Amino acid sequence: DGGITQSPKYLFRKEGQNVTLSCEQNLNHDAMYWYRQDPGQGLRLIYYSQIVNDFQKGDIAEGYSVSREKKESFPLTVTSAQKNPTAFYLCASSIAPGTYNEQFFGPGTRLTVL
Amino acid sequence: AQKITQTQPGMFVQEKEAVTLDCTYDTSDQSYGLFWYKQPSSGEMIFLIYQGSYDEQNATEGRYSLNFQKARKSANLVISASQLGDSAMYFCAMREGDSGGGADGLTFGKGTHLIIQP
Repeated sequence: DGGITQSPKYLFRKEGQNVTLSCEQNLNHDAMYWYRQDPGQGLRLIYYSQIVNDFQKGDIAEGYSVSREKKESFPLTVTSAQKNPTAFYLCASSIAPGTYNEQFFGPGTRLTVL
Repeated sequence: AQKITQTQPGMFVQEKEAVTLDCTYDTSDQSYGLFWYKQPSSGEMIFLIYQGSYDEQNATEGRYSLNFQKARKSANLVISASQLGDSAMYFCAMREGDSGGGADGLTFGKGTHLIIQP
């Protein structure tokens, strides 16, 4: 079955540590996205990538970094510079960038900073 | 100013009734797309329906329809014959055109928590 996988489902981190969230898709989609969701809020765009080896900042990129070395993979690193990293992180993909195709979402990773 | 406004934080609806979830949007682009997603308690986002700014007819997908009123910048989701499984968070989202060179992502509202009662 095609889809998006995110791992781990739950992640705990100590303050000052970097942590990497995995996102893999087998939909052969060109575009991939990372969103953050805080309680009672909608999703906010962190980073997006329209093509391999290229990515762009979204609305709240500070304290995060990404890479896109393979079409199917778009990992997100939450760095120690992110002041309030506890949140629900969702990865998404769409068949082509810059279009109105729907985005397909993974199951999410819930990050808690202890 | 918020680009997507969902004014109903929560709604209780009786099973089998129709329900309308409100969404208003703000954009200066002529070309844009509007989306509705459902988020159950498990957390995944499920795409429901899409409406393009140039679409003349309201979008429909099974029990879901979108009441698109362009002049009012309104894109309300209508769920007919609600079911217990419709209980979830519902998010309205927008993809703007490229006139401002904006990010290739969706802008989401804060959501409406819908609870279907038996």
